[in-house]
Amino acid sequence: NAGVTQTPKFQVLKTGQSMTLQCAQDMNHEYMSWYRQDPGMGLRLIHYSVGAGITDQGEVPNGYNVSRSTTEDFPLRLLSAAPSQTSVYFCASSYSILQRTYGYTFGSGTRLTVV
Amino acid sequence: AQSVTQPDIHITVSEGASLELRCNYSYGATPYLFWYVQSPGQGLQLLLKYFSGDTLVQGIKGFEAEFKRSQSSFNLRKPSVHWSDAAEYFCAVGTGNQFYFGTGTSLTVIP
Repeated sequence: NAGVTQTPKFQVLKTGQSMTLQCAQDMNHEYMSWYRQDPGMGLRLIHYSVGAGITDQGEVPNGYNVSRSTTEDFPLRLLSAAPSQTSVYFCASSYSILQRTYGYTFGSGTRLTVV
Repeated sequence: AQSVTQPDIHITVSEGASLELRCNYSYGATPYLFWYVQSPGQGLQLLLKYFSGDTLVQGIKGFEAEFKRSQSSFNLRKPSVHWSDAAEYFCAVGTGNQFYFGTGTSLTVIP
């Protein structure tokens, strides 16, 4: 099935633990990004990538790392989880670097709780 | 700085009634504008988008939106709401390599 696949769907972490949220797309999209969604705050951009080997920071990058070794995959790493990182995380991709022209395809999200 | 404002946090409408969700943006150049819908527990789905040309754009599920440059607005409308339209709606502006989302409007539909 074409689209953006996120794993896992749910995760509970203890403070200080690290983990990687996986994101894969099979649409040959150049542009991929990670957002977090918190009540009353909409979606905030964490990191994005305009192509393999190229990443950049978004609005709220602290505490997160990304890499883009292939066009298909864009994992998000939490280095040392904190309760403030409890959120729903969405991966989104778009066909073109000029991604505004096409809009995003979103994954179904990962609900992360840090205790 | 670019921003997107959705002034209504929550709206309740009766099934069959008309709907208008408001969106205002702040951006220096001609924006690329989008509306997304998010059903509970799901990701966001693109409803419609505006780049240029006709200021009234049609989307999926019977939704439409009108771009008004003079008011910096891009309001979403539907003439007759169905119970399945209950969801959260996000307006977004695309600029450069980034998107800016509004904080969303939650829609409740009552029978």
